[in-house]
Amino acid sequence: EAGVVQSPRYKIIEKKQPVAFWCNPISGHNTLYWYRQNLGQGPELLIRYENEEAVDDSQLPKDRFSAERLKGVDSTLKIQPAELGDSAVYLCATRDPKNTEAFFGQGTRLTVV
Amino acid sequence: AQSVTQLGSHVSVSEGALVLLRCNYSSSVPPYLFWYVQYPNQGLQLLLKYTSAATLVKGINGFEAEFKKSETSFHLTKPSAHMRDAAEYFCAVSDKNFNKFYFGSGTKLNVKP
Repeated sequence: EAGVVQSPRYKIIEKKQPVAFWCNPISGHNTLYWYRQNLGQGPELLIRYENEEAVDDSQLPKDRFSAERLKGVDSTLKIQPAELGDSAVYLCATRDPKNTEAFFGQGTRLTVV
Repeated sequence: AQSVTQLGSHVSVSEGALVLLRCNYSSSVPPYLFWYVQYPNQGLQLLLKYTSAATLVKGINGFEAEFKKSETSFHLTKPSAHMRDAAEYFCAVSDKNFNKFYFGSGTKLNVKP
């Protein structure tokens, strides 16, 4: 079975441009997390979905970040406009209700120049 | 509030030597604890987890960790390091509902021939 799939793997954009990341979860995983991992640090939660509902977006910078999870499956995370400080790896993780483990995708490495 | 402290951002051992990666947590309630490994340009892979069962937890690739409530620690060990163990290791704590995973800042393990 395929794991959590993220695309693109790498993205380089100029500041003030928009960017979007896409995540396809493991089938049946109702919980979806978006994490940001800055260089040399551990991942930090941006937003958590239970099915299509964003149940925790307290750490999402809402002035420029947005996310959606249509039909409770795939999810997209958008930044508009991007700033230099947004350079990081954006990780998607998913979990099924019966399991304690969160499965992570390979991440999207964003570089804002 | 929950938090994780990983002592030592870089650890270097010789091949065949003992690996010890330190993790201390703070949690107001009994936690669930995890160790993840991240290889270069990859997502996070679960090594092992503690979810209130046996305090000594065995994981993949010969790693194990012991939950010590009195010391609020969950150190990761492996008796004999292999070159393939070179990676970054993250300790994480979660509430009992797995709504949020709090990660430490990571420890990069270098294995010398």
